[in-house]
Amino acid sequence: QITLKESGPTLVKPTQTLTLTCTFSGFSLSTSGVGVGWIRQPPGKALEWLALIYWNDDKRYSPSLKSRLTITKDTSKNQVVLTMTNMDPVDTATYYCAHATYYDILTGYYGGFGYWGQGTLVTVSS
Amino acid sequence: QSALTQPASVSGSPGQSITISCTGTSSDVGGYNYVSWYQQHPGKAPKLMIYEVSNRPSGVSNRFSGSKSGNTASLTISGLQAEDEADYYCSSYTSSSYVFGTGTKVTVL
Repeated sequence: QITLKESGPTLVKPTQTLTLTCTFSGFSLSTSGVGVGWIRQPPGKALEWLALIYWNDDKRYSPSLKSRLTITKDTSKNQVVLTMTNMDPVDTATYYCAHATYYDILTGYYGGFGYWGQGTLVTVSS
Repeated sequence: QSALTQPASVSGSPGQSITISCTGTSSDVGGYNYVSWYQQHPGKAPKLMIYEVSNRPSGVSNRFSGSKSGNTASLTISGLQAEDEADYYCSSYTSSSYVFGTGTKVTVL
């Protein structure tokens, strides 16, 4: 059974750095084809893809946020960490981590995000 | 990279079929067969309903189907049920990243 859970601060001040941790079970990030991504959703708004890390430590970032994001993994702890610098009130959102599912070995792409955490609401305010 | 375009809302009566469109470009929807669809009920995490344009994950009702033509993907819900009332988002792979749609609220009348 695959489960994921996000953790981190609920409130951050503008210009601060946000660090979120995704702790998962039911799979290993050392297994070929496995990936974990981060997606966020501002209140009442649409989903926005942020970043993805592969089992081989390859990383992908949203082009619009690439300069502010870093994604890392700790395989021994079954954790993926997302940091976002220079937080702004517009970054207020529920942040989800998700298991990237249906890996296509020929292309290196994932079919979708099949398992999601419950999400954690991060508010940016002074 | 811009969000994929979806209608803001779609509605239908129980038992009817509805279709949600997802329009992108040749750099995303039109260029790859990695379109997925997600259902999200209020206050809940999204749920994968369709992957790779038309494949259903195990456990997803066969009332949900996906297709693609050119730069537009579609999700069809047949035999609409009250429990289908939710927000729906499409997503596509695009040049080393992924992009989501603007979202569609489905209302069951």
